Amino acid sequence: QVQLVESGGGVVQPGKSLRLSCEASGFTFTKYGMHWVRQAPGKGLEWVAVISYDGSIKKYSDSVKGRFTISRDQSQKTLYLQMNSLRADDTAVYYCAKDPHGLVTGYPPDYWGQGTLVSVPA
Amino acid sequence: QSALTQPASVSGSPGQSITISCAGTSSDIGNYNLVSWYQLHPRKAPRLIIYEGSKRPSGISDRFSGSKSGNTASLTISGLQADDEADYYCCSYIGSFSLIFGGGTRLTVL
Repeated sequence: QVQLVESGGGVVQPGKSLRLSCEASGFTFTKYGMHWVRQAPGKGLEWVAVISYDGSIKKYSDSVKGRFTISRDQSQKTLYLQMNSLRADDTAVYYCAKDPHGLVTGYPPDYWGQGTLVSVPA
Repeated sequence: QSALTQPASVSGSPGQSITISCAGTSSDIGNYNLVSWYQLHPRKAPRLIIYEGSKRPSGISDRFSGSKSGNTASLTISGLQADDEADYYCCSYIGSFSLIFGGGTRLTVL
């Protein structure tokens, strides 16, 4: 069965960096695009970024463009989110999620992880 | 681009039916038949319950159904059960490999 396990969250000071990881199993990782989605405390879901199955396409929301970088390690079946210049409004649970169709990027995801919490104090 | 518009809350009694709307524009819902709905329970991974507007993934009860009319998508849950109490989010593809979510709807089963 598909499993996505996020890690790397924690408390980080404003302006600092953090890297999130998402280990995937139960499907052919190299054939699927992957997303990061976040949920701030008491707020709704917000799409953050997507990467294509081969890493050739990367797209970001305006709120993180230029500060966050999505990447993937095919051999490790792991998705990453490098977060730089963190701000208080980046505080959220960060979920990784899988594209539903192989070799097609960006559609609403099907499987999600349980998320990892990133806290950036004001 | 602004979030899709959902009611903040809906409620219903066990056995009843409820419908959650998700209003977008001709640039998102109206332009693509790629709306998904997710159920969020606290401390659990979000669960896909409807994709491509009206399709149910394997294992999802037929009590859940989706539809679309113009720029608005809808999720209907029939035969409400206590376990349906959760937050529900719509999500639409908006082109250029990007997505937009609704603001979320809290369903209370009375």
